[in-house]
Amino acid sequence: SQQGEEDPQALSIQEGENATMNCSYKTSINNLQWYRQNSGRGLVHLILIRSNEREKHSGRLRVTLDTSKKSSSLLITASRAADTASYFCATPSGSSNTGKLIFGQGTTLQVKP
Amino acid sequence: GAGVSQTPSNKVTEKGKYVELRCDPISGHTALYWYRQSLGQGPEFLIYFQGTGAADDSGLPNDRFFAVRPEGSVSTLKIQRTERGDSAVYLCASSLEVRSSGANVLTFGAGSRLTVL
Repeated sequence: SQQGEEDPQALSIQEGENATMNCSYKTSINNLQWYRQNSGRGLVHLILIRSNEREKHSGRLRVTLDTSKKSSSLLITASRAADTASYFCATPSGSSNTGKLIFGQGTTLQVKP
Repeated sequence: GAGVSQTPSNKVTEKGKYVELRCDPISGHTALYWYRQSLGQGPEFLIYFQGTGAADDSGLPNDRFFAVRPEGSVSTLKIQRTERGDSAVYLCASSLEVRSSGANVLTFGAGSRLTVL
């Protein structure tokens, strides 16, 4: 079963606009990650946010985490056509000692030039 | 190697045949993961190894699926008596270690696309 659920499922914006994707999860977590997947390729790690962090930045990416609402958001600012991809959140499953990472269904982002 | 390598990149087989998919992780990475991804879906966890042993195989859908990692490096995912529903992209990933915090960053391969006719 999936731990994280992203919304929206699909998002289409113009280049230069900001894109926001949301992820909700079900159980308590120590951290949450976001990955990106270009069509036909493997996933690439973007950013990890720990449960004691509320916000984290990496370049044009901003991730927030609200543990009380069990949700996270990924904001991509000043989007580019090259940001077109699917974005997934991922959380550890079960105990904190597990290596098992569970992915959500993903948000497909299209950035139009 | 520099990245996670998966072979073959594409495999077309007939229903009922046996298939092996290979994953060569990043050198020195102790943890290795197998996921399955259907079109338009997120990766679905199958199994992960810590060294040579399967630490969690709870995602393997049934006993037709089996994976090994005999020397703690290369892993092979084996599928017996393939069914059309097994068609998917099989992704392999590795991580340097399994941290007690669960903060394991995975590096993925490009995947093996399996098509069962």
